[in-house]
Amino acid sequence: NAGVTQTPKFQVLKTGQSMTLQCAQDMNHEYMSWYRQDPGMGLRLIHYSVGAGITDQGEVPNGYNVSRSTTEDFPLRLLSAAPSQTSVYFCASSYSQGAPNEQFFGPGTRLTVL
Amino acid sequence: QKEVEQDPGPLSVPEGAIVSLNCTYSNSAFQYFMWYRQYSRKGPELLMYTYSSGNKEDGRFTAQVDKSSKYISLFIRDSQPSDSATYLCAMPAGNNRKLIWGLGTSLAVNP
Repeated sequence: NAGVTQTPKFQVLKTGQSMTLQCAQDMNHEYMSWYRQDPGMGLRLIHYSVGAGITDQGEVPNGYNVSRSTTEDFPLRLLSAAPSQTSVYFCASSYSQGAPNEQFFGPGTRLTVL
Repeated sequence: QKEVEQDPGPLSVPEGAIVSLNCTYSNSAFQYFMWYRQYSRKGPELLMYTYSSGNKEDGRFTAQVDKSSKYISLFIRDSQPSDSATYLCAMPAGNNRKLIWGLGTSLAVNP
């Protein structure tokens, strides 16, 4: 099993550009989520999904869109990149049942917006 | 006040030292208490978890929960340079699978 994979590993964008961060998992997890991690701010939830076709906002959703057409994939779209979106982005997945909720993380995407 | 508070450090100790990492929380409904470890430029991974109060030991690591004080700890015995990482506490919130995270404590174990 590859676990949770993310592409690209690094990305540099100019202000106003759009892009999609890819996330895929092969563990048949129903729950998937996107976080951003910034120094002094910790992990902050952007969007999450409890299954195909179902998504919801986290605590910092502005400027980001998500969709979940399959169980495996959960892409994150930046609509019009801003310097404030410079961050490390992590995708995570877990089962929807059982406790505790162990989340499995991808290796991250380091994004710089100039 | 954040639901989970964690001193970000950094914490620097010599090899072989006993390390104590701590979090406080405000929601008395939390039942599971998790510790994740994050190496530099990697994603977090679950180290261990405890349910309700008490201690749990796994090798050199001991997780402790004091629900009366809303205080959790992770102890590392005989710390090694390979333990150098950021340690994050996390607690599941309700039934929606979300985790409430501490900021993480950066630990450096010096040879």
